[in-house]
Amino acid sequence: KAGVTQTPRYLIKTRGQQVTLSCSPISGHRSVSWYQQTPGQGLQFLFEYFSETQRNKGNFPGRFSGRQFSNSRSEMNVSTLELGDSALYLCASSLGDGVLYTEAFFGQGTRLTVV
Amino acid sequence: AQKVTQAQTEISVVEKEDVTLDCVYETRDTTYYLFWYKQPPSGELVFLIRRNSFDEQNEISGRYSWNFQKSTSSFNFTITASQVVDSAVYFCALSEARGANSKLTFGKGITLSVRP
Repeated sequence: KAGVTQTPRYLIKTRGQQVTLSCSPISGHRSVSWYQQTPGQGLQFLFEYFSETQRNKGNFPGRFSGRQFSNSRSEMNVSTLELGDSALYLCASSLGDGVLYTEAFFGQGTRLTVV
Repeated sequence: AQKVTQAQTEISVVEKEDVTLDCVYETRDTTYYLFWYKQPPSGELVFLIRRNSFDEQNEISGRYSWNFQKSTSSFNFTITASQVVDSAVYFCALSEARGANSKLTFGKGITLSVRP
């Protein structure tokens, strides 16, 4: 069974640019969550999508956005990049049926460097 | 608001030593889930265990064991007879029960180094 796939693995962008990261969840999983990991702030929740709808959102500025497609694949976008956006972005997938808790499985992440 | 505190930042032990990683949490929810994840250098978070707030039984899985104490809001993780392969960053996390894993609140993580 394939795991959570995040692409690309590494990315270098310039301040002011925008970036799109992709996450393919485990087959059959309908919930995708995104987290930002930095040395200073640690792991912070960005947002969660379930069946193409944003179900929960963390405390990040509007420059951070996401979406989910009908096949459960998800993308997150960061516009007007700042140096502080440099981080490891992790995606997690789960069955997420909202009734019975299921474990979240994480991808290897996308390492974004903003220069 | 939910909060997870991992007071230890770095721990270094010699192989075969036992080591305990501490986790203290805060939540107003009466129903919640607690987790431990391992993050090796490759970056992905590897799920180790989940506990719900109504199950205070300690759990043992091979060399790993977990001690959940609601009275002290702690969920500690012990590795017995540590091995070099246990070297990683370990995260404790908390989630509200509703909405599945809609939001995990993580601690800052503990970097464990196991020396041969």
